[in-house]
Amino acid sequence: AQKITQTQPGMFVQEKEAVTLDCTYDTSDPSYGLFWYKQPSSGEMIFLIYQGSYDQQNATEGRYSLNFQKARKSANLVISASQLGDSAMYFCAMREGRLDFGNEKLTFGTGTRLTIIP
Amino acid sequence: DVKVTQSSRYLVKRTGEKVFLECVQDMDHENMFWYRQDPGLGLRLIYFSYDVKMKEKGDIPEGYSVSREKKERFSLILESASTNQTSMYLCASSFPLPREGHTDTQYFGPGTRLTVL
Repeated sequence: AQKITQTQPGMFVQEKEAVTLDCTYDTSDPSYGLFWYKQPSSGEMIFLIYQGSYDQQNATEGRYSLNFQKARKSANLVISASQLGDSAMYFCAMREGRLDFGNEKLTFGTGTRLTIIP
Repeated sequence: DVKVTQSSRYLVKRTGEKVFLECVQDMDHENMFWYRQDPGLGLRLIYFSYDVKMKEKGDIPEGYSVSREKKERFSLILESASTNQTSMYLCASSFPLPREGHTDTQYFGPGTRLTVL
């Protein structure tokens, strides 16, 4: 089974609208971390936001928020007031296990290509 | 700011050639990673290293090897390049444990797009 599933290969959104990018994950470990990265056409992966499995509140970073629903094993990224510069590939990733030596590996989803329409 | 650099943005090699991809980070990170990225497959881990001269296989190590002689440098080696190794290669680095004010995120380089003819 896929550990990280991103079901939206591509999305088109009108500028200034909010957008939700879906991510579901699969793990039996009670301790894990979830990440979202943005990859513009330049190729570099940019870290956006992080949610730990024990965090009580949803993570937020400026216009980015993570809608963490633990029981449903989903970690959707919400971008408020989208901008043209938000057009990029977006990847969801997971680290499993306690943050200990050897547990730093990330598993990535297949990504969602977001296009913001003026 | 963390900086991860990769030796080439674009590289074209011939089948059977030995290929070296170099990655350097300037943040004194213990961990370094090599991924390949293919359309529809996301990023897949090839190898990672948690210290100098230490390495661990990732999910797809076949056909690759790595070298980490210095903390800041992590090299990916294709011993005999094949056409199915045409891909985007991304290097990343991170601290091993969360430190004050930091998440345990990985920091990525700009990528090397390798074409094997």
